[in-house]
Amino acid sequence: NAGVTQTPKFQVLKTGQSMTLQCAQDMNHEYMSWYRQDPGMGLRLIHYSVGAGITDQGEVPNGYNVSRSTTEDFPLRLLSAAPSQTSVYFCASSWDRGRTGELFFGEGSRLTVL
Amino acid sequence: AQTVTQSQPEMSVQEAETVTLSCTYDTSESDYYLFWYKQPPSRQMILVIRQEAYKQQNATENRFSVNFQKAAKSFSLKISDSQLGDAAMYFCAYRSGLLNYGGSQGNLIFGKGTKLSVKP
Repeated sequence: NAGVTQTPKFQVLKTGQSMTLQCAQDMNHEYMSWYRQDPGMGLRLIHYSVGAGITDQGEVPNGYNVSRSTTEDFPLRLLSAAPSQTSVYFCASSWDRGRTGELFFGEGSRLTVL
Repeated sequence: AQTVTQSQPEMSVQEAETVTLSCTYDTSESDYYLFWYKQPPSRQMILVIRQEAYKQQNATENRFSVNFQKAAKSFSLKISDSQLGDAAMYFCAYRSGLLNYGGSQGNLIFGKGTKLSVKP
């Protein structure tokens, strides 16, 4: 059981380039989300989805785009990368209708924008 | 809006000793979950312990236990018999229990973390 899989694990971009962070889960979870982690800031929510075709903004959505065409996949797009987007990104999912409340995390993707 | 506060950016403990990490939160909800996640240098987010707000009893998982004070909105983590492998960032997190399908209540709200060092 793979759980939540993120790719790539490391990426270096130049300012203005675009890229997509991939996230896939094989647990049939309805809820998926993207967080970014910066030193001293904890994890902050970028975007989330409660099911295929449904997405919404989190705390820090600017500069990021998401879509949810299937239950399994939730890619995060950076349209024009900026140095302020240098961060570690985490994808997470959960079974929204359950009572455990737990989020399952991917291993994280470290992105550096030069 | 809910907030989570971890007032200790860094903590240190001697191996085999006990340490307590603090967390306070603010909410107007009565139904919610609280979590402690551990993040070792590998970067992986690992669930340590979970507490449902409606449960009076404090959660325990082996050497890890919580002191959940609902009225005071406090949720501290106690690590007993600390081991070198416990060295990590620890995040306290809140999630609403009122899961409105299609709403934002499923989102986890994190504190800024406490970096725990364990001295041999």
